[in-house]
Amino acid sequence: GENVEQHPSTLSVQEGDSAVIKCTYSDSASNYFPWYKQELGKGPQLIIDIRSNVGEKKDQRIAVTLNKTAKHFSLHITETQPEDSAVYFCAAPYTGANSKLTFGKGITLSVRP
Amino acid sequence: DTEVTQTPKHLVMGMTNKKSLKCEQHMGHRAMYWYKQKAKKPPELMFVYSYEKLSINESVPSRFSPECPNSSLLNLHLHALQPEDSALYLCASSQGVRGRQGVQYFGAGTRLSVL
Repeated sequence: GENVEQHPSTLSVQEGDSAVIKCTYSDSASNYFPWYKQELGKGPQLIIDIRSNVGEKKDQRIAVTLNKTAKHFSLHITETQPEDSAVYFCAAPYTGANSKLTFGKGITLSVRP
Repeated sequence: DTEVTQTPKHLVMGMTNKKSLKCEQHMGHRAMYWYKQKAKKPPELMFVYSYEKLSINESVPSRFSPECPNSSLLNLHLHALQPEDSALYLCASSQGVRGRQGVQYFGAGTRLSVL
């Protein structure tokens, strides 16, 4: 099955700085990688995802990069704002059953005003 | 619109009660999911319905009983729960179950407390 590891577990940045969260996966057959943001008291919200045939994808201040050789993908948030403070989960599909996602443990991002 | 609606938002129940959680989506998605999430942990998959048929049951105790009445609705029936079942229960849906069609959209969850 798929094994997803997420580093670091907590991250604190100053408002306006960039934040980078990295995930590694084990199954080279995995073909898409979503990132979810979960604010306190809410469900996870899909913020960006990337398919395995693409190396980078951007959406305003958020970008995701994928290195298939090294089997890792990273979330980049530029010009961070206090409302970016949340728990971020990376995920990858479970081998043989794309309906199952394996989630990383999550990282708590704190943006200091 | 990528909205998945869950009711109720909060639920408190005793160990002998029977209650149901409800989930609804109108995006035409054909796969729906139930997850359980404990504090400071990632969501943990419980059940997957694909085209209204149960396709995955992650060895969930029988006190949790899912039901998919139609392609837009998903229920989770609860009976004789234990205090350790207290958690956030999340519903999700996806267009399909293969490739990027499997990208899942989550509801806000039902915060369940079992006394």
